[in-house]
Amino acid sequence: NAGVTQTPKFRILKIGQSMTLQCTQDMNHNYMYWYRQDPGMGLKLIYYSVGAGITDKGEVPNGYNVSRSTTEDFPLRLELAAPSQTSVYFCASSPDWGRFTEAFFGQGTRLTVV
Amino acid sequence: AQSVTQLGSHVSVSEGALVLLRCNYSSSVPPYLFWYVQYPNQGLQLLLKYTTGATLVKGINGFEAEFKKSETSFHLTKPSAHMSDAAEYFCAVSDGQGGSEKLVFGKGTKLTVNP
Repeated sequence: NAGVTQTPKFRILKIGQSMTLQCTQDMNHNYMYWYRQDPGMGLKLIYYSVGAGITDKGEVPNGYNVSRSTTEDFPLRLELAAPSQTSVYFCASSPDWGRFTEAFFGQGTRLTVV
Repeated sequence: AQSVTQLGSHVSVSEGALVLLRCNYSSSVPPYLFWYVQYPNQGLQLLLKYTTGATLVKGINGFEAEFKKSETSFHLTKPSAHMSDAAEYFCAVSDGQGGSEKLVFGKGTKLTVNP
């Protein structure tokens, strides 16, 4: 029972490089989310998706892009990495949007931009 | 817009003592309220939630929380702390309206349990 799987777990990027954080879930959830967690700041929503082919911006979308071609996968793309994007990134999914039940989180990706 | 305030970024208790983690929320409509726990180097997992009905909600690992509308609060308690409770705890709110709600998290409270 894998749940939400994120890869990689750790990554160091140089300023200006690009990368894709992978997220996949095997629970057939329609709703998926990307959050970033910074010390003492809680979690901030970057992007979310309510189903395949549908994505929308969250609170802090600048510098990121997403796509949702399948129900299972929700990759997060950083095009030009900046030190401000050093953070821990969490992907999550949930089965229901209208009656919010529970979000299931991945283990996180710790990204450092130097 | 919804918001969550967690009072105290760090709370320290002795093993066996009462745990009280405070959360106040702001919401323009009846909220859905959640407590999540994050153990070191892990993702978040749901402790408990309030949507409708009984205002005292019981969760996993002996935790419970009470929704108090008049105080706009949803404090988390546990009668007797255990060493394994050491973690970071996040309160979150959703406005509960279909199609638009998202989880808004507080900044977190790190709980330390001393032997």
